[in-house]
Amino acid sequence: NAGVTQTPKFQVLKTGQSMTLQCAQDMNHNSMYWYRQDPGMGLRLIYYSASEGTTDKGEVPNGYNVSRLNKREFSLRLESAAPSQTSVYFCASSEESSFVNEQFFGPGTRLTVL
Amino acid sequence: GENVEQHPSTLSVQEGDSAVIKCTYSDSASNYFPWYKQELGKRPQLIIDIRSNVGEKKDQRIAVTLNKTAKHFSLHITETQPEDSAVYFCAASINFGNEKLTFGTGTRLTIIP
Repeated sequence: NAGVTQTPKFQVLKTGQSMTLQCAQDMNHNSMYWYRQDPGMGLRLIYYSASEGTTDKGEVPNGYNVSRLNKREFSLRLESAAPSQTSVYFCASSEESSFVNEQFFGPGTRLTVL
Repeated sequence: GENVEQHPSTLSVQEGDSAVIKCTYSDSASNYFPWYKQELGKRPQLIIDIRSNVGEKKDQRIAVTLNKTAKHFSLHITETQPEDSAVYFCAASINFGNEKLTFGTGTRLTIIP
């Protein structure tokens, strides 16, 4: 099993450009999440999806959109990138269970917006 | 919403000594408290978690304690080793983790050989 995969690993954008970050998991998890990680700020939730077809805003959703394409895939789109969106983006997934609550993270995407 | 504060932001300890990282949370409905470890350039990984129905949990050199009344929980690492050097994040959630996690801002732990 590959676990949680993300593409691309690195990306440089100019202000105003758009892009989509891709995430896929092969663990048959219902829940998927997008976080951004900035120095001194920890992991902040952007959007999450509790199941296929549902999405909810997290702590910092402004400037982002998401799509839960199917159970495996959850994409994050930046419509008009801004320098404030320079960050490392992590996707994660988890099982809905009374016993297993671990979130499994992808390797991350390092995004720079010039 | 939930707010999780974590201290200290950096911590250096001599190899073999103990390290303690503390977190407080604001939402009394939170009942699941995991700790994640992130090595340099890697993804965060769960190392231990605790539910509100227990006060302490141990796994070899790692332990977590929870004080529901004071709304704080702590990570204890004993007999520290160089491979313990990493950033550690605490988090809190309701519904025993079947809801979104709110993370603390992280503690960078450095083990001095």
